[in-house]
Amino acid sequence: DAGITQSPRYKITETGRQVTLMCHQTWSHSYMFWYRQDLGHGLRLIYYSAAADITDKGEVPDGYVVSRSKTENFPLTLESATRSQTSVYFCASGERPNYGYTFGSGTRLTVV
Amino acid sequence: GENVEQHPSTLSVQEGDSAVIKCTYSDSASNYFPWYKQELGKGPQLIIDIRSNVGEKKDQRIAVTLNKTAKHFSLHITETQPEDSAVYFCAASMSQAGTALIFGKGTTLSVSS
Repeated sequence: DAGITQSPRYKITETGRQVTLMCHQTWSHSYMFWYRQDLGHGLRLIYYSAAADITDKGEVPDGYVVSRSKTENFPLTLESATRSQTSVYFCASGERPNYGYTFGSGTRLTVV
Repeated sequence: GENVEQHPSTLSVQEGDSAVIKCTYSDSASNYFPWYKQELGKGPQLIIDIRSNVGEKKDQRIAVTLNKTAKHFSLHITETQPEDSAVYFCAASMSQAGTALIFGKGTTLSVSS
C-alpha cells in the first residue's frame, strides 16, 4: 500500500535501553523528518534528511541517532532511553522542504 | 533559526460560528506556510497552505491570510461544525535545502452543537 508507515505503534521500554523507531515511505520522497509531540510543546523537529546518506539536526536532537541508507527508510534510534524521551513520535516525508509533508500515524513511546 | 508563535492555545466556539487562529514567524526568509489538522490518535494532516507570493487562499469553509510585512498568518474557519474539533498547527519553512517545517505549539479547537 502506498503511504508512510511507522512501527511499532506503541512501545514501552526501560531507562537506559536502546530502542529504534521505524519509518517507511513508498513515494520515493527525497525528504524525511522526525518530530516529537509533547503537551505544551507542539511538534518539535528532531532530525531530518534531504536524501539518502544526508541527515541534519533539528531543534531537539540530543539523545537521538538517525540513518538513511535507503530513500524509503528513516529509522530513529534512542541510544540510551531516558524518561524525558517519553513522547509521541511522528515521521513525515515530502518532496521538498517547502512543500506539504505527509505524516505517519505516530509511535507512542513510554520510558519507565 | 525560525520561531513560530501560535495563538490562542485553546478556542471554543458554537456550531456555525467562525474561528480564527493566528501565527507569527520570526525569519523573513520563510516563504511557505501550511496548516495542519490533527484528530485524536492520528497524525497531522495538511488542510491548506499559502506561499509568500499570495496574500489569501480559500478552500470551501477554510481560508488562510498572510501579511509578510508583519510576519503573521491566520487560519479562518467559517460555519464551524462539530467535526472541525481538533488540534490545529501552523508551520513555516524556507525553500532552500537544509531546512524543514517549524511548527507552532498548536490550538485545540472545540466546536459545540
